[in-house]
Amino acid sequence: DTEVTQTPKHLVMGMTNKKSLKCEQHMGHRAMYWYKQKAKKPPELMFVYSYEKLSINESVPSRFSPECPNSSLLNLHLHALQPEDSALYLCASRLTTGRTGELFFGEGSRLTVL
Amino acid sequence: GNSVTQMEGPVTLSEEAFLTINCTYTATGYPSLFWYVQYPGEGLQLLLKATKADDKGSNKGFEATYRKETTSFHLEKGSVQVSDSAVYFCALSGDNAGNMLTFGGGTRLMVKP
Repeated sequence: DTEVTQTPKHLVMGMTNKKSLKCEQHMGHRAMYWYKQKAKKPPELMFVYSYEKLSINESVPSRFSPECPNSSLLNLHLHALQPEDSALYLCASRLTTGRTGELFFGEGSRLTVL
Repeated sequence: GNSVTQMEGPVTLSEEAFLTINCTYTATGYPSLFWYVQYPGEGLQLLLKATKADDKGSNKGFEATYRKETTSFHLEKGSVQVSDSAVYFCALSGDNAGNMLTFGGGTRLMVKP
């Protein structure tokens, strides 16, 4: 199994809603990532979990709240988002944070904030 | 800090044409280098990688060689197909906390029949 599975694939929410994005991998990877990608741009790193502990937070607003319940799961909790937060949110995993390992990406959750 | 520069697109080619997408990087030490491809509406997929100087990564007819002397990792394919139409990202890993990936800006390739 070499997949990273993200749900939902599409999400529309209002600025007062609370929703969550979910990510799952069963490759035994111990590093998991959230990226945000706007149209025609490369992915921007948001958070990194290494061995289930948050290791990097790239100054992301608190309306985005990550959670890593176990080594296979990664969530991104969303609250009081703004229209400019509309984007493709990508989850990725890697065996460890070593420099030679590639990231495996999910297909993304496309978020629209009204 | 690390940086990756790719040629701006879009690159438009006819089917069976030769493809080169240039990628140069700035990094200290010995980064690993990657090419990722993103098809419309999908996430990123690893296309190939190289982890040390003079390594050649190859996959699905695509090749790239890690050139430390010119700090480059150009992507090539001898004969492109319509199905290769996608956005290609060059990236490096290394010399920062957690070995985070640094992406280039992406190059859109359009292949016409």
